[in-house]
Amino acid sequence: GAVVSQHPSWVICKSGTSVKIECRSLDFQATTMFWYRQFPKQSLMLMATSNEGSKATYEQGVEKDKFLINHASLTLSTLTVTSAHPEDSSFYICSARGVSGVNEQFFGPGTRLTVL
Amino acid sequence: AQTVTQSQPEMSVQEAETVTLSCTYDTSENNYYLFWYKQPPSRQMILVIRQEAYKQQNATENRFSVNFQKAAKSFSLKISDSQLGDTAMYFCAFMKHEALNAGNNRKLIWGLGTSLAVNP
Repeated sequence: GAVVSQHPSWVICKSGTSVKIECRSLDFQATTMFWYRQFPKQSLMLMATSNEGSKATYEQGVEKDKFLINHASLTLSTLTVTSAHPEDSSFYICSARGVSGVNEQFFGPGTRLTVL
Repeated sequence: AQTVTQSQPEMSVQEAETVTLSCTYDTSENNYYLFWYKQPPSRQMILVIRQEAYKQQNATENRFSVNFQKAAKSFSLKISDSQLGDTAMYFCAFMKHEALNAGNNRKLIWGLGTSLAVNP
């Protein structure tokens, strides 16, 4: 089946630093990737949608200068949390949709970010 | 705008018994997809079952089945012969059915989830 990986699985950083999270589709080409944020015991909140080779589309209320998304290839999208602060601490999940799997998103295992 | 409602924040069931999780949604669309996702303690999101709105037959995947009532906009999940490994958060989700090249990225609209505990 379609596999999506995320790296790192967890990261701890100091306030003010930037953190990059990678999302890769391992066995299919992902035309669209989605980035979610999830707080404990809550649902997924869509942050942005990225299409390969074009700018990401951010959801209302998500700061695009804070959360930089790059979808440089059909197998890789990155989320960079710039100048991270403790309130950015959360669980970040990516998902990917391929050309053939238009009715389904495949999810990565998530990245836990802790900002001290 | 579409909304998805899961009215049961928490549920529990005894091992080997059957449990039903409810989900209702609101949309003016006629064609769409509905999903149940499972998120176990590992937090890896797993697709449990998918239903296409234009199909009248309820989807079934082994011990998991749905009761899809389009007119009532209801999409419940039944888990038969519950197992300890079924303990997880369950999310109901909605997605529009649009043309492949419509430019829409087919966002998922999520419910708040139901935390299911299967007790030994």
